[in-house]
Amino acid sequence: EPEVTQTPSHQVTQMGQEVILRCVPISNHLYFYWYRQILGQKVEFLVSFYNNEISEKSEIFDDQFSVERPDGSNFTLKIRSTKLEDSAMYFCASSRFASGRSEQFFGPGTRLTVL
Amino acid sequence: AQTVTQSQPEMSVQEAETVTLSCTYDTSESDYYLFWYKQPPSRQMILVIRQEAYKQQNATENRFSVNFQKAAKSFSLKISDSQLGDAAMYFCAYRFDGDYGGSQGNLIFGKGTKLSVKP
Repeated sequence: EPEVTQTPSHQVTQMGQEVILRCVPISNHLYFYWYRQILGQKVEFLVSFYNNEISEKSEIFDDQFSVERPDGSNFTLKIRSTKLEDSAMYFCASSRFASGRSEQFFGPGTRLTVL
Repeated sequence: AQTVTQSQPEMSVQEAETVTLSCTYDTSESDYYLFWYKQPPSRQMILVIRQEAYKQQNATENRFSVNFQKAAKSFSLKISDSQLGDAAMYFCAYRFDGDYGGSQGNLIFGKGTKLSVKP
C-alpha cells in the first residue's frame, strides 16, 4: 500500500541553524501539506501546496519557512534560522484532490529538536 | 474562523466496553467534512472515520461510529468493544469543502483526547 514517507525521523539542531525536512508524498497525489505538533498540543496547519506553488498558509508559516518540490517526488520544508519554539513534530500529508472526499494521508513525522 | 473543541483531555475505558469521545466545532460554512484521526504512540496519524456534512446518516466503520448533530455542531465518536490497540490520542478535525480558490482543504484539529484501555 502506498504511503507518505518522511526523513529524517529525528533531527537535532542548534538555534539559528537551517534545517530541511523531507517528505515523499504518494506518487499520484496532487496536494501536499505540512502540519506541526508541539509536544502535548494539537496539530496545527502550516502550509498547503499545489501545482508548484503555495495555495494557503497559516500565521505560523512566516518568512523563516519555505516549501519546495524540487524534483517531482520530494516535498521539503525549510526553516532558515531555527528557534527554540520550532521544536515540534512536523507531519507531511498528501491527498489526491482538495475535496474532503479525498483522504489526507500522513507521514510518520519528523521530530525536530532545537537546542 | 473555524474552531474544533474537544473537551475531554483524557478518557478511560475497560476492554470490551463502549466509550464515546466528544467533539464540537464552529463554522459558518455549510459544506465541510469532519474526521476522527487516531495517533498511537508511534505518532503517525491514521484516519478512523469521516463524515460529510451534507449527509444526515451517521458514518460507521466496523467498531467505530459517529453521532453527527449538524444543528448542534457536535460530532462524537463511539468506539464499541474497545480493544487494547485502541489506546491512543484521538483528534477530531474539520475540513472546509467549498471554494478551492480560497482553500485547499487544510485540516483544523482539536486538542485531542487521550484514550486509555484497561485490560
